[in-house]
Amino acid sequence: DTEVTQTPKHLVMGMTNKKSLKCEQHMGHRAMYWYKQKAKKPPELMFVYSYEKLSINESVPSRFSPECPNSSLLNLHLHALQPEDSALYLCASSKDRGNEKLFFGSGTQLSVL
Amino acid sequence: AQSVAQPEDQVNVAEGNPLTVKCTYSVSGNPYLFWYVQYPNRGLQFLLKYITGDNLVKGSYGFEAEFNKSQTSFHLKKPSALVSDSALYFCAVRAINTGGFKTIFGAGTRLFVKA
Repeated sequence: DTEVTQTPKHLVMGMTNKKSLKCEQHMGHRAMYWYKQKAKKPPELMFVYSYEKLSINESVPSRFSPECPNSSLLNLHLHALQPEDSALYLCASSKDRGNEKLFFGSGTQLSVL
Repeated sequence: AQSVAQPEDQVNVAEGNPLTVKCTYSVSGNPYLFWYVQYPNRGLQFLLKYITGDNLVKGSYGFEAEFNKSQTSFHLKKPSALVSDSALYFCAVRAINTGGFKTIFGAGTRLFVKA
């Protein structure tokens, strides 16, 4: 199994809603990542988890809250988002932090109304 | 500053012709360089990487990349383009920051292969 699975594929939410994005991998990878990608732009790193511990937070607003319950799962909790947060949210994993060959999920296309 | 640049927004090539997608980089120390491809509404897929060794790196789907240290370049190449190669291509570099390593992506180059 060389897949990173993200759910949901699409999400529409209002600015007062609370929602969560989920990511799962069963490759035994110990590093997991959240990226944000706007249309026709490169992915921008948001968070990095290494061995279930948060190791990088790229100054992301607190309305985005990551969680890594175990080595296979990564969540991104969303609360009080703004319309400008609408984007494709990509989860990725790698064997470890030093091995930066990234495996990406297909992403969650988020629209904030 | 650690960065990667892709000077072309779009590359157009006829099917069967060779293709080149350009990338230059700026990093501290020895570079770890990558190419990824993204198809519409999908995540990025790894194509190839350079860490050390031969300057010509072979990857997935017949792609290869040439590392040139003096020119700080890592151009992606393919001898004969296919229509199905049309996609968005990202060059990336492993950079070091206060939290450890992270991957920095270039702006992306859209490859359009015409039948």
